[in-house]
Amino acid sequence: NAGVMQNPRHLVRRRGQEARLRCSPMKGHSHVYWYRQLPEEGLKFMVYLQKENIIDESGMPKERFSAEFPKEGPSILRIQQVVRGDSAAYFCASSSRTTHTDTQYFGPGTRLTVL
Amino acid sequence: DQQVKQNSPSLSVQEGRISILNCDYTNSMFDYFLWYKKYPAEGPTFLISISSIKDKNEDGRFTVFLNKSAKHLSLHIVPSQPGDSAVYFCAASADGNKLVFGAGTILRVKS
Repeated sequence: NAGVMQNPRHLVRRRGQEARLRCSPMKGHSHVYWYRQLPEEGLKFMVYLQKENIIDESGMPKERFSAEFPKEGPSILRIQQVVRGDSAAYFCASSSRTTHTDTQYFGPGTRLTVL
Repeated sequence: DQQVKQNSPSLSVQEGRISILNCDYTNSMFDYFLWYKKYPAEGPTFLISISSIKDKNEDGRFTVFLNKSAKHLSLHIVPSQPGDSAVYFCAASADGNKLVFGAGTILRVKS
């Protein structure tokens, strides 16, 4: 009965490097959402994906950030040329979306630190 | 533009008493509301939700009340237990897709 899985749990990168965050949804869920939490703030929506499709990326920064959810394998959030302001906790959630009001269940998060 | 607001950064309650956490929203298009609990270094854990067609939903010690005219919802925990100490986030959805979160309220339950 695995929940949403994220790896790595902690990631340290130097400025200018790339960060790749992975998310495997709960079994039976085909909808994935990424959120970011900056220190002392609530979670902010970034992107919503179904298999092979980006449904809503209205919360994604226009540059350096991208996300995918391939037919096989986990969803990936990719941050190119990281800067110190990218340091945050990144959470993935999944849902089954069988109804409009399906609950999103969250993973444990990846804490990104940019040196 | 904070569409979901939790105006109390923290709340301290004695064990066994009622905890009431409040949340206000501005977007009248929100039709689904959720409460999550979060411990440090963990992801948010779903607690309870309510659809805009209802004004109350109860699950064990947790009850959520929705007042649409006031654009206000609250989470009641009774009786409060020390294990309830965590950060509580209110979240809302208008389109069934993205959740809009409040900034959270730190609940401390003293034994």
